[in-house]
Amino acid sequence: SQELEQSPQSLIVQEGKNLTINCTSSKTLYGLYWYKQKYGEGLIFLMMLQKGGEEKSHEKITAKLDEKKQQSSLHITASQPSHAGIYLCGADYSGNTGKLIFGQGTTLQVKP
Amino acid sequence: SQTIHQWPATLVQPVGSPLSLECTVEGTSNPNLYWYRQAAGRGLQLLFYSVGIGQISSEVPQNLSASRPQDRQFILSSKKLLLSDSGFYLCASRRAGANVLTFGAGSRLTVL
Repeated sequence: SQELEQSPQSLIVQEGKNLTINCTSSKTLYGLYWYKQKYGEGLIFLMMLQKGGEEKSHEKITAKLDEKKQQSSLHITASQPSHAGIYLCGADYSGNTGKLIFGQGTTLQVKP
Repeated sequence: SQTIHQWPATLVQPVGSPLSLECTVEGTSNPNLYWYRQAAGRGLQLLFYSVGIGQISSEVPQNLSASRPQDRQFILSSKKLLLSDSGFYLCASRRAGANVLTFGAGSRLTVL
């Protein structure tokens, strides 16, 4: 089984709607990273969380890490077509080496 | 900020042929470097990790090898490609003392 599970696998929302993507780890992690990828392109860094209970926001995207450091959520408010893409969570279990284990990704489509 | 260059962007190779994918980094010194592969249905998998010139750690057993002949150059190679080597290869860099991985645009390899 996967160390890092993302849900849902895919999501289609109407423009303007809110959405949440979840990332669940089978064990406590050192750091949790959120990236966005357009198909066939590299990954764009969104946010990094390290402390239990931490929450960060950038524009309309908010990421949270639970107190136990095993679950994270990414919330998009008032989605836009520019938010479409693949969202990946990555976990560092090995003490800040940068050797990230990634979830399978969530594909988001935003319908105008 | 650092910039990662990968080439070639796209490659189609016959089974049994050799491979060389190159990654170079600008804007930082002594980075940690990573090779990831993204294969259909298998997510993003860490292949190799390097903390310095000539220092390579292999994360999964496979048909590929990596080398770091210069501080900001990371090469992925194979002597004889297999069909299962097909995928999207991403190079990533982490600046010394930083937490975040920066990814290149990727190289898509198709083995026929």
